[in-house]
Amino acid sequence: NAGVTQTPKFQVLKTGQSMTLQCAQDMNHEYMSWYRQDPGMGLRLIHYSVGAGITDQGEVPNGYNVSRSTTEDFPLRLLSAAPSQTSVYFCASSKGYEQYFGPGTRLTVT
Amino acid sequence: AQKITQTQPGMFVQEKEAVTLDCTYDTSDQSYGLFWYKQPSSGEMIFLIYQGSYDEQNATEGRYSLNFQKARKSANLVISASQLGDSAMYFCAMSALWGGYQKVTFGTGTKLQVIP
Repeated sequence: NAGVTQTPKFQVLKTGQSMTLQCAQDMNHEYMSWYRQDPGMGLRLIHYSVGAGITDQGEVPNGYNVSRSTTEDFPLRLLSAAPSQTSVYFCASSKGYEQYFGPGTRLTVT
Repeated sequence: AQKITQTQPGMFVQEKEAVTLDCTYDTSDQSYGLFWYKQPSSGEMIFLIYQGSYDEQNATEGRYSLNFQKARKSANLVISASQLGDSAMYFCAMSALWGGYQKVTFGTGTKLQVIP
């Protein structure tokens, strides 16, 4: 049981490049979420999903897209990277009240 | 709207002493949950403890207890017998139903340093 996995662990992008952050869980959880963590600001919700085929925006969705074709996977796409998207990204899944977090992806946009 | 406030950016505690990390919240929901997470320097988010808004007893998990005062809208974390491994960032969070989804809102965190 791997829990929540995220790839890559680290990534450096140039402004304007696109990329996909991968997230997978093997706990058959319906709810999955993406957060970003910036210094002094805690975690902020980017997008979330309540099941396969159903996604919605969180607090800070601009510049990001998501899709959920399977229960297990919830990728986050950066369409055109900007320096403001330099952050640590966490994926989480949950069934009840407890969220299980992935190890995070540290993204730097230059 | 939900809001979590953690007013202590940083705290020090002597090893083996108890420490209280403050958390206040604001919500208009009647049903909600309150959490604490630990984030060590390695970066992972570790779930510590949960309290439901209708739970009458304070939650406890080993050395962690959540001091829930509903009327004051506070959910302080108490760590007893601090250990060096407790040095980390601690985040208070709350969840409430938001369009069929348990939306979780996080505070800005408190950095705890345990002194030998």
